Amino acid sequence: QVQLKESGPRLVKPSEALSLTCSVSGSSISTGVHYWGWIRQSPGKGLEWIGSMFHSGSTYYNLSLKSRVTISMDTSKNQFSLRLSSVTAADTAVYYCARTRPGVVPETPFFDPWGQGTLVTVSS
Amino acid sequence: DIQMTQSPSTLSAFVGDRVTITCRASQSISKWLAWYQQKPGKAPKLLIYKASILESGVPSRFSGSGSGTEFTLTISRLQPDDFATYHCQQYDSFPSSFGQGTKLEIK
Repeated sequence: QVQLKESGPRLVKPSEALSLTCSVSGSSISTGVHYWGWIRQSPGKGLEWIGSMFHSGSTYYNLSLKSRVTISMDTSKNQFSLRLSSVTAADTAVYYCARTRPGVVPETPFFDPWGQGTLVTVSS
Repeated sequence: DIQMTQSPSTLSAFVGDRVTITCRASQSISKWLAWYQQKPGKAPKLLIYKASILESGVPSRFSGSGSGTEFTLTISRLQPDDFATYHCQQYDSFPSSFGQGTKLEIK
């Protein structure tokens, strides 16, 4: 079965970049029909889709974060990563990686399964 | 962006009760709606997609219905394992968006 697990620093200073990696087992991210994505959950805003990436290199980002977000893949390691630049306290959240399942179009997926999530706190 | 509004925010019920959670979209999303269950400290788990299709392995006491702007998740006979937070998500329009969640508590 497909399993995902997030890793990366749990504490990031304001104005710096947040970087997380998602390690995938049970499925190859370099083949198949699935996009792979990131979602975050903060107490004030609930769940928020950040962005998704396909192994072809195609990416989709939430416009609210697009100027600060980069998602990339390392297919040799079966991992994909999130980089969020210029973070503020508002970026404090639990960050989840997930496999997407196709919706109407690739840029509007739903998510299954999810990783366990990792809390990232932005603080000096 | 499409706004998703769930009601109620919190729901208290007994084991064995039938409960319904409502999710409303700010504009029509046809049937492009998913429901997730989330337990404390855990990731959301997909229950239902395309408004009414039960994900494999999800108990049949869960059901979803609706189209357009109004949707419901019904749990026919609550079990102790069902007490959790439930989220809806529209995936009709970019960007996909979630409701704020409904916490189902044991009475």
